Amino acid sequence: AIRMTQSPSSLSASTGDRVTITCRASQGINSYLTWYQQKPGKAPRLLIYGASTLQSGVPSRFSGSGSGTDFTLTISSLQSEDFATYYCQQYYSHPRTFGGGTKVEIK
Amino acid sequence: QVQLVESGGGVVQPGRSLRLSCAASGFTFSSYALHWVRQAPGEGLECVAFISYDGTDKYYADSVKGRFTISRDNFNNTLYLQMNSLRAEDTAIYYCARGGANWAHVDAFDIWGQGTMVTVS
Repeated sequence: AIRMTQSPSSLSASTGDRVTITCRASQGINSYLTWYQQKPGKAPRLLIYGASTLQSGVPSRFSGSGSGTDFTLTISSLQSEDFATYYCQQYYSHPRTFGGGTKVEIK
Repeated sequence: QVQLVESGGGVVQPGRSLRLSCAASGFTFSSYALHWVRQAPGEGLECVAFISYDGTDKYYADSVKGRFTISRDNFNNTLYLQMNSLRAEDTAIYYCARGGANWAHVDAFDIWGQGTMVTVS
């Protein structure tokens, strides 16, 4: 199975900050990568697919980039509703695998 | 509206079985791949099973292979997960999620159910 490694595992930031989360695949996955946001007690929400395509309804402050093995999720100006845990996931091969998550907390 | 609703979770003893269901509505069920994803308390996400839109392709995580079986009923718009020989480490919230359409090359999980809790104890 392809291993997905996220960093950092957690970060503290303030409203208005620019936040970057990285995700590395153990082998090349082209652009078959998604990003999800999860809030406590809720199901995950799809943010980005194809490494950089914003899902309908997701604010434009979210963006994704990368291909091959290295990817990033950027939140250009953190809002209060963005404090959550973020996961990357590859859909290049089965089983689909998630990164360990990055918890974004209030500084 | 487009939604998935899981049911069938509960408390079960180790070694016993449980069947989860996921009822879909608001979209053409037979056109989409589906997944079961679980999340142990305080932990991350794990894909445990996949089924193609027509049920011909199935994949399982190594952690459940040989114990869990995914299936679907495209007439009744329902996804299932049969879980046998349950272990304490199977304790988790189980989500069903909609994957890619049969005409697409994107398997993003764009619709999720609310989850159903399975406790093995």
